[in-house]
Amino acid sequence: TQLLEQSPQFLSIQEGENLTVYCNSSSVFSSLQWYRQEPGEGPVLLVTVVTGGEVKKLKRLTFQFGDARKDSSLHITAAQPGDTGLYLCAGSSNTGKLIFGQGTTLQVKP
Amino acid sequence: NAGVMQNPRHLVRRRGQEARLRCSPMKGHSHVYWYRQLPEEGLKFMVYLQKENIIDESGMPKERFSAEFPKEGPSILRIQQVVRGDSAAYFCASSPRSSASYEQYFGPGTRLTVT
Repeated sequence: TQLLEQSPQFLSIQEGENLTVYCNSSSVFSSLQWYRQEPGEGPVLLVTVVTGGEVKKLKRLTFQFGDARKDSSLHITAAQPGDTGLYLCAGSSNTGKLIFGQGTTLQVKP
Repeated sequence: NAGVMQNPRHLVRRRGQEARLRCSPMKGHSHVYWYRQLPEEGLKFMVYLQKENIIDESGMPKERFSAEFPKEGPSILRIQQVVRGDSAAYFCASSPRSSASYEQYFGPGTRLTVT
C-alpha cells in the first residue's frame, strides 16, 4: 500500500518567515502534485513534478521532487498572511489515482 | 472555460435514503476520479472512471456505493441507504485524456450530511 507522510501537520509562523513542508514515502510515484485547499472548497492544483530531482518555482513557492521520486518538499519564502491555508501533497500511482498526504495547515500571522 | 462542476454543493439525507452526487468534468476531459474527505481526515481515493468504463474501484466500499460515467451526461456517485458514517465531503476530479503527468483538477465538492 502506498502511503505519503506529510509534515508538519500544523505550522503557525509570523509574516516574513520562511518554511518548508515535507512529503515522504517509501514508494516511488509517477508524479507528485501539490494542492492548496481553502475551507469549503476543493483542492486547487499548484504544481506537478514528474522528473526525479526536478525543481519548480511559483513566485515565493519552491517545489522539489526527490531524486528517487519518493519524496518532495514545498518551501515558502517570506510567508504572507495570504499564504494561510491547507497544503496537500499527492502522489500519482501508475493507474492515475492520487494518494494524498494528511495535509499541512499553515497559519501566517501578520 | 468552466472548471469541474459538482452538484449539489450541499446535500442532507436521512438515514436509509439515497444520495446522488453529480460531476461534470472540465471540457475535453474524459477521465473522472472520485475522492472522499471525512472530517479531520485526508482525501481518500474512491473510484476512477472513463466514459462508460470503471477503471479502478479499489477505494469504493463494497456495499451501497456505485459510480458511473455514461456516454452522455455527468458522472454520478450513488450511495444507497445512507448511514451517519457517510457524512463527508465528496470531491470529483478530472484529467485530460492525453495527460502524461496525471494532473487532476478538482471540483468544489458536495458536502453530504446524514441525519
